[in-house]
Amino acid sequence: DAGVTQSPTHLIKTRGQHVTLRCSPISGHKSVSWYQQVLGQGPQFIFQYYEKEERGRGNFPDRFSARQFPNYSSELNVNALLLGDSALYLCASSLVGGTWLHNEQFFGPGTRLTVL
Amino acid sequence: SQQGEEDPQALSIQEGENATMNCSYKTSINNLQWYRQNSGRGLVHLILIRSNEREKHSGRLRVTLDTSKKSSSLLITASRAADTASYFCATVDSGGGADGLTFGKGTHLIIQP
Repeated sequence: DAGVTQSPTHLIKTRGQHVTLRCSPISGHKSVSWYQQVLGQGPQFIFQYYEKEERGRGNFPDRFSARQFPNYSSELNVNALLLGDSALYLCASSLVGGTWLHNEQFFGPGTRLTVL
Repeated sequence: SQQGEEDPQALSIQEGENATMNCSYKTSINNLQWYRQNSGRGLVHLILIRSNEREKHSGRLRVTLDTSKKSSSLLITASRAADTASYFCATVDSGGGADGLTFGKGTHLIIQP
């Protein structure tokens, strides 16, 4: 079975542009979460979606938005890019969202975004 | 913001030795998880320990949790070159996890052949 897939692998943008990152969860998983990992740091939580609804949001500005589609895939959008948005963006899927008593997260390989 | 800190930040040992990494966190948790990351790519889930558990084993991995000290440790026994990676602890808060996993900054482990 395919794991979590993300596209594109790498992306270079300039300041002020917008970007859309895509994620396909493991088949049967209904929850998708997005994380930002700046070089040398641990991942930071951006969003969680479950059953196409936003269930959690981290401390990120409104320039960041996301959505989940009926097939449970997800997009992360970032507007008005800043140099500080350069990072590895990770998508993770899990069977369920919300209460995480047994909730192992399966991560994709990430999208490396560079903002010039 | 980061939940806590892994200690040490970097660790270099000889193949065959044991590697121990520590993690401290700040809030009440539902569970704590350890992940491995190779070369800045995706994270691989290693082990999950619930707040009412004190120790858990999985193959060469042993995890302990001390909720009174808000700390956890990951022990990798009989290390191999393939264990070279960054290791992160991540917590799920006692509220249920709607705020996602909260990661530490990680320990970079180097296994020298």
